[in-house]
Amino acid sequence: KAGVTQTPRYLIKTRGQQVTLSCSPISGHRSVSWYQQTPGQGLQFLFEYFSETQRNKGNFPGRFSGRQFSNSRSEMNVSTLELGDSALYLCASSLQVNSYEQFFGPGTRLTVL
Amino acid sequence: AQSVTQLGSHVSVSEGALVLLRCNYSSSVPPYLFWYVQYPNQGLQLLLKYTTGATLVKGINGFEAEFKKSETSFHLTKPSAHMSDAAEYFCAVSVAGANNLFFGTGTRLTVIP
Repeated sequence: KAGVTQTPRYLIKTRGQQVTLSCSPISGHRSVSWYQQTPGQGLQFLFEYFSETQRNKGNFPGRFSGRQFSNSRSEMNVSTLELGDSALYLCASSLQVNSYEQFFGPGTRLTVL
Repeated sequence: AQSVTQLGSHVSVSEGALVLLRCNYSSSVPPYLFWYVQYPNQGLQLLLKYTTGATLVKGINGFEAEFKKSETSFHLTKPSAHMSDAAEYFCAVSVAGANNLFFGTGTRLTVIP
């Protein structure tokens, strides 16, 4: 069974632009969570989607948004990019909302210049 | 609210020596506890998890951890370090009904030949 895939793997943007990252969960998994990883702040939870609905949201500004499609694939969008948005963005999928185990993708490395 | 503290951002051990990575948690409700490993330029891989039941849990690659409620700890151990264990290790906590993980700041393990 294929793992969690994230596209693109690397991305370079400039301040003020917007970006969309994509995540395809493991087949059959219905919950997708997003995390931001930076050297300064570590791993922080962004949001979780289940059945196309946002269930939980971390403490991030409204510039960070996401959505989930009927096939469970998810996208996250960051508008008006700032230098501090440079990070590794990780997607994780799980079977249900209380599965106790999340499977992480390799991440998308976003660099904002 | 949940939080995790990992003591020691860097730990070095000799090959064949005991590995001990420390994790203390804070949670207002019964926690679910996890250890993840991250290799360079990769996502997170689950090593082991504690949800309920037996407090000593065994994971992959010879790692194990013990949930000690009285000490609010979930330390990760491995009897004999291998070169391939060199990576960054993250302790995380969540609660029932929620997939959002709260991560510690990570411990980078170096194995000296």
